[in-house]
Amino acid sequence: DAGVTQSPTHLIKTRGQHVTLRCSPISGHKSVSWYQQVLGQGPQFIFQYYEKEERGRGNFPDRFSARQFPNYSSELNVNALLLGDSALYLCASSRLAGGIHEQYFGPGTRLTVT
Amino acid sequence: SQELEQSPQSLIVQEGKNLTINCTSSKTLYGLYWYKQKYGEGLIFLMMLQKGGEEKSHEKITAKLDEKKQQSSLHITASQPSHAGIYLCGADWEKSSGDKLTFGTGTRLAVRP
Repeated sequence: DAGVTQSPTHLIKTRGQHVTLRCSPISGHKSVSWYQQVLGQGPQFIFQYYEKEERGRGNFPDRFSARQFPNYSSELNVNALLLGDSALYLCASSRLAGGIHEQYFGPGTRLTVT
Repeated sequence: SQELEQSPQSLIVQEGKNLTINCTSSKTLYGLYWYKQKYGEGLIFLMMLQKGGEEKSHEKITAKLDEKKQQSSLHITASQPSHAGIYLCGADWEKSSGDKLTFGTGTRLAVRP
């Protein structure tokens, strides 16, 4: 089975621009979460979607938005990019296995804002 | 997050040596997750602990949860170069069942051959 896939792998944008990151979960996984990982830090939770509904939102400004599609893939959108948005953006999908929601992470999208 | 502290921040060990990484939560844990990350890549799930006193093993890696201290320790026995990477603990404080985790800053492990 294919793992979680994310596109693009790398991206360079200029301050003020808009970016869309994409994620395809593992087949059969209905929950998708997004995390931001700044260099040298642990991942920070941004959003969680389940069955196309937002189930959780982290402490991020309204410039960040996301959605989930009927096929459970997801997009993360960031408007008015700032230098501080430069990070590795991780997507994770999850399933219930033995009573535990085990999250599987994608390889991430490396966003650089100049 | 300072609400979830990992120690040490980095570690260099000789191949074959044992090591321990700690993760301490300032809030009550519903679940504690351990992940490994190769530099700049996605996270790999290692194990998840829910109950106080619970201990789980995966190959040469063992993790325990001390409910009284709200602390988990990850122990690697006879370390190998393949163990090198960043070890991250993730806390589930909201019974989100693991979909919304707060991560520590990670422990960077290097293993010298």
